Amino acid sequence: DVKVTQSSRYLVKRTGEKVFLECVQDMDHENMFWYRQDPGLGLRLIYFSYDVKMKEKGDIPEGYSVSREKKERFSLILESASTNQTSMYLCASSPPDRDPTGELFFGEGSRLTVL
Amino acid sequence: DAKTTQPPSMDCAEGRAANLPCNHSTISGNEYVYWYRQIHSQGPQYIIHGLKNNETNEMASLIITEDRKSSTLILPHATLRDTAVYYCIDTCMDSNYQLIWGAGTKLIIKP
Repeated sequence: DVKVTQSSRYLVKRTGEKVFLECVQDMDHENMFWYRQDPGLGLRLIYFSYDVKMKEKGDIPEGYSVSREKKERFSLILESASTNQTSMYLCASSPPDRDPTGELFFGEGSRLTVL
Repeated sequence: DAKTTQPPSMDCAEGRAANLPCNHSTISGNEYVYWYRQIHSQGPQYIIHGLKNNETNEMASLIITEDRKSSTLILPHATLRDTAVYYCIDTCMDSNYQLIWGAGTKLIIKP
């Protein structure tokens, strides 16, 4: 089974801190994604990547950056955390788009609280 | 905004079939319908997808109407562990990997 592992389930950070959220997948998937999930707003795509060193902005990239130095790892970076970035962050991966299923495999999520 | 419409919540008795409806009236000819579910405090889990034919796997069945404007996810023998939010999503195969997530249906399985 595909396993997507997020480094921390719960984090508490202070305003202005730099925050790293790490995600690792073990199925050699090309595509990786970062979403945030907020009550009433559903899942919103922050960034995605379809290859090492490649990144594309999603719907809400402001205040975030990403890094994909290795195929299995996709990191989300909050350069200067703010209270409105308090949220559940979900990482996902999927096989390349030539696979017609296109299903996403999600991690357990990282709940970030910014004080 | 989400391109699908689902009821906000549903109840089902344990052991019975749970039928979750979804309207996707603007779906295009090359867009698939995907179903995911999210159990509390976990990441979403893929269930099934289809284009125009009915599909079945070990988790569920997907019935798509002939005009493709709606579909029904069927959990044949619901258990308490099936309590979750169920998301119906349509997406174009060659889109930029973007799935547009709505609010889903909160399914509660009752003993």
